Amino acid sequence: AQSVTQLDSHVSVSEGTPVLLRCNYSSSYSPSLFWYVQHPNKGLQLLLKYTSAATLVKGINGFEAEFKKSETSFHLTKPSAHMSDAAEYFCVVSVVQGAQKLVFGQGTRLTINP
Amino acid sequence: NAGVTQTPKFQVLKTGQSMTLQCAQDMNHNSMYWYRQDPGMGLRLIYYSASEGTTDKGEVPNGYNVSRLNKREFSLRLESAAPSQTSVYFCASSPRVGTGPYEQYFGPGTRLTVT
Repeated sequence: AQSVTQLDSHVSVSEGTPVLLRCNYSSSYSPSLFWYVQHPNKGLQLLLKYTSAATLVKGINGFEAEFKKSETSFHLTKPSAHMSDAAEYFCVVSVVQGAQKLVFGQGTRLTINP
Repeated sequence: NAGVTQTPKFQVLKTGQSMTLQCAQDMNHNSMYWYRQDPGMGLRLIYYSASEGTTDKGEVPNGYNVSRLNKREFSLRLESAAPSQTSVYFCASSPRVGTGPYEQYFGPGTRLTVT
């Protein structure tokens, strides 16, 4: 079965410092992976997606993620945190069984300190 | 385009009451989904509809039913609400055109409390 594990339930960084949100996946074949962001009391928005075209994927708002097959990881990074980045982030794997379904990680809450 | 809309935004039910959550999308998407979000558990799939006229169970279907009314609308019904169904419910849709993978577009959510 395909699954993702987000290694940190909460990450806290200072404004202007780098962000690293960690995600490991489990898949029997080459996966499709996504990162979604959820701001407080809002719906989910796609940050970026990996579809095997390139291992380094750039997303919105300066975020990027690198797919590493040898480490089964898909960590999300940003060079410099902004206060507006405070949100919950979900690593997601796509499962195709008839229809495409998404399997979500538990989420990582990102706090930005001024 | 409004994208994915959900009604109501908030609802409080007593145990045993029934209600229907409504979802509509105006993006001409084929597939639609219902999720619930509980603290520390991410989103879990309740039911989905791969295309108009089909529905299938997801990870946590017990206590729920769905109807794909037409291509635009996908409703979720709680026949007899229980406190364990207190959650935030999200509807999503995706185009399902080509080989994928397909981004899912989410509605703003319905916050349901069952007392």
